[in-house]
Amino acid sequence: EVYVVESGGGLVQPGGSLRLSCAASGFTVNAIYMGWVRQAPGKGLEWVSVLYSSGGFKYADSVKDRFTISRDISKNTLYLQMNSLKAEDTAVYYCARAHGVLWGQGTPVTVSS
Amino acid sequence: DVVMTQSPLSLPVTLGQPASISCRSSESLVYSDGNTYVSWLQQRPGQSPRRLIYKVSNRDSGVPDRFSGSGSGTDFTLKISRVEAEDVGIFYCMQTTYWPYTFGQGTKLEIK
Repeated sequence: EVYVVESGGGLVQPGGSLRLSCAASGFTVNAIYMGWVRQAPGKGLEWVSVLYSSGGFKYADSVKDRFTISRDISKNTLYLQMNSLKAEDTAVYYCARAHGVLWGQGTPVTVSS
Repeated sequence: DVVMTQSPLSLPVTLGQPASISCRSSESLVYSDGNTYVSWLQQRPGQSPRRLIYKVSNRDSGVPDRFSGSGSGTDFTLKISRVEAEDVGIFYCMQTTYWPYTFGQGTKLEIK
């Protein structure tokens, strides 16, 4: 069976850090590309970052220089290191496979004092 | 950034009736490989998004054939031939041709 499971979300103070994980099953995380999409409460969807099979990556302007995407092929897991968190980063973060073919259940991140 | 504009944003539909959602992009979404990476996603209340249609008109595995996608260039359409109760939710168009990949604002389908 093919699926992904996110973890690592939680409540963090402004300026703090979190690392999200996305464990994949049934496929390898370095095939085509994988990324993170977030959805703020009651809002639409926003691609945050992607990591391509080549190792290349992209970030949304809103998170550039604060977030870092990476993967561990041995653990078949995708990560998102989030630093200098702001209130506007509050959202459910989804792990998504190439072109949105597969989504996880999401992990909520709340940035608040 | 490519702007994806959906209409309508609210879509009340009677059970068994057809429904149609339009999505227009601010620029052509034909990639250098000749493919147009436009997808349609459904997000049911309290659930994660799931993809219904990819590359404009291809249905994902397990998606009922009452869903169909069409279009080209900058104009795309999702059609539901006969709306069922399980179709309630928000539908998004999405382009993954150019980074940043972007979504439409979402169309909320409800049953009249």
